Amino acid sequence: AQKVTQAQTEISVVEKEDVTLDCVYETRDTTYYLFWYKQPPSGELVFLIRRNSFDEQNEISGRYSWNFQKSTSSFNFTITASQVVDSAVYFCALSEDSGGGADGLTFGKGTHLIIQP
Amino acid sequence: EPEVTQTPSHQVTQMGQEVILRCVPISNHLYFYWYRQILGQKVEFLVSFYNNEISEKSEIFDDQFSVERPDGSNFTLKIRSTKLEDSAMYFCASSEGPQGGYGYTFGSGTRLTVV
Repeated sequence: AQKVTQAQTEISVVEKEDVTLDCVYETRDTTYYLFWYKQPPSGELVFLIRRNSFDEQNEISGRYSWNFQKSTSSFNFTITASQVVDSAVYFCALSEDSGGGADGLTFGKGTHLIIQP
Repeated sequence: EPEVTQTPSHQVTQMGQEVILRCVPISNHLYFYWYRQILGQKVEFLVSFYNNEISEKSEIFDDQFSVERPDGSNFTLKIRSTKLEDSAMYFCASSEGPQGGYGYTFGSGTRLTVV
C-alpha cells in the first residue's frame, strides 16, 4: 500500500531564510503522481505542483522549487527567501495509477511552516 | 477558473442526527471524491465516485456514510447518526480522469461540528 511520510511536524524560520520541506513516499506502482498542497489558516487546500513518476526534472516556480529523486523516493519542496505569507501547513500527497478505479490521494501528515517576521 | 463549490461552509449538528454535505463539481469532470480532515491531522481519502457508483472507498467509509449524485450537478455525502468523532473538515474534489495525471480540484471544504 502507498504511504507518504513528512517527518518534519513543524518548522520555524525567520523571514528571508530558505526552507526545505521533506517528503518521502512508498509505492509499488511504477506509474504514480506526486503533489504538494498548501493549507493556509483559512483551511482550503491550495494546489502547488503535480509531478509524474517518469519526470524527474526539478521544477522552479518563482520562490518555490521541487526536487524529485526516485532513487531515494523523495519529493522535497524548497521555499527560497521565505515570507510571512508562506506560513501554512504543507501537505505532500501521492496518487497511484493502478489502472482500475478512481484512486484518491494519500496525504502525508503535513508540515506546519511558521515564518517569523 | 472553474471551481468546486461546497455548501454549507460550516455545519453544526446534534449527535445522532443525519447530515448531508453538498458539492457541485466542475461541470465537465467525471470523477468525484470526498476527503476528511480531523482538526490538526492529515487529509484522508473517503470515497471516489464514477458513473453513478462508488469506484473506491477507504476503511473509514463504513455503513454510516453514503454518497449520491442526485442530479446532473450535485454530489452529496450523507452521514447517518453522527458521532462526536465525525467532527472534521470534509473536502469534495473532482477530476476529469481516474488517475492523478488529470489532477484534482478541491472545494473549500465544509467544517462539520457534532455537538
